[in-house]
Amino acid sequence: EAQVTQNPRYLITVTGKKLTVTCSQNMNHEYMSWYRQDPGLGLRQIYYSMNVEVTDKGDVPEGYKVSRKEKRNFPLILESPSPNQTSLYFCASSPWGSGGGYGYTFGSGTRLTVV
Amino acid sequence: SQQGEEDPQALSIQEGENATMNCSYKTSINNLQWYRQNSGRGLVHLILIRSNEREKHSGRLRVTLDTSKKSSSLLITASRAADTASYFCATAPPGGGQNFVFGPGTRLSVLP
Repeated sequence: EAQVTQNPRYLITVTGKKLTVTCSQNMNHEYMSWYRQDPGLGLRQIYYSMNVEVTDKGDVPEGYKVSRKEKRNFPLILESPSPNQTSLYFCASSPWGSGGGYGYTFGSGTRLTVV
Repeated sequence: SQQGEEDPQALSIQEGENATMNCSYKTSINNLQWYRQNSGRGLVHLILIRSNEREKHSGRLRVTLDTSKKSSSLLITASRAADTASYFCATAPPGGGQNFVFGPGTRLSVLP
């Protein structure tokens, strides 16, 4: 089944404790992205990647890191989480090519609470 | 930068009625997409309409796009309780980029 798999589904952590949220897709998609969703703010893009070893900042990258060493994986790293990073996080992937016109496939989400 | 703005923020209708949601955006786009999200789950892609298209259908969904007004509408006909969800529009930038900008969404409740 074509899918984007995120782990963990729920995570409660303490301020300052480094964590990684994993994202893996099995569709051979070039493009991957991380979004966070907060009430009243919709989805905001954190980072994206157009292919292996190519990553770039989205609208809200502060406090986050990503890497794209393999095409299928795009982990989100919070080096020193803070309470304002409490949110619902989504990984998404899509094909990428000139002209665009591709929809995202989303993961099921990771609900992160930083206390 | 928030591109899309859905209207209304919340909509409540009876089963069998039609539901219409609107999306306005500010800058030029390559395409506009609609997604559905069930209660904190992942978003599901519903339909994509390109900037040179005016109307598109998929099952009970009808999407229109008016680039002169920078607006789109999503019509769900003969709604069902299972259509209860939040609906988001997302705009893709000119040139075919994949960095979509999502609006805050419309919460649709379909009452049995």
